[in-house]
Amino acid sequence: EVQLVESGGGLVQPGRSMKLSCAASGFTFNNYDMAWVCQAPKKGLEWVATISYDGSSTYYRDSVKGRFTISRDNAKSTLYLQMDSLRSEDTATYYCARSFGTPDYWGQGVMVTVSS
Amino acid sequence: DIQMTQSPPSLSASLGDKVTITCQTSQNINKYIAWYQQKPGKAPRLLIGFTSRLVSGIPSRFSGSGSGRDYSFSISNVESEDIASYYCLQYDNSPNTFGAGTKLELK
Repeated sequence: EVQLVESGGGLVQPGRSMKLSCAASGFTFNNYDMAWVCQAPKKGLEWVATISYDGSSTYYRDSVKGRFTISRDNAKSTLYLQMDSLRSEDTATYYCARSFGTPDYWGQGVMVTVSS
Repeated sequence: DIQMTQSPPSLSASLGDKVTITCQTSQNINKYIAWYQQKPGKAPRLLIGFTSRLVSGIPSRFSGSGSGRDYSFSISNVESEDIASYYCLQYDNSPNTFGAGTKLELK
């Protein structure tokens, strides 16, 4: 069974950093691209970033370029999202997702609240 | 970025109705569109990929069609468990972009 479990969320002050993790199991992690998708409270879904299966390529939405870094450790079957210079508008639930063309399996999500 | 115009924003249906949601894209996406269902407090669930390919285990009352810039998603014989929000996603170009969502409610 495919499982994706996010961790690392919580309350953080504007301008500070936070790192999210996503532990994957039930599939061969290093065969798949992985993605982060976010959803602000009561809002729609927004794609954040994608990383290729081997980590050689990364893609970001414009609003997070230069502030967020997606990475992976294939030996640990874990995906990461390093979020720096956080802003109030980054407040959202962040989902990690396996990407097989399109995200097919999703984690349960982790809430990130950016507030002073 | 490719813009996704999803409509309607909300939909009211009776049990057994057929409902249709549309997504129009700002450019040809070569059928690389997926449809997701999301229930409150839950992660999205992939229903359909590549315009019309039903994911394994998804009931056949869900369907998708379209080409070029115009795509649609339908639920025939709406059941109570279908009450949720639905999103389209284009994955032809980066950044992938979602539609704004459609909230399906019971009449």
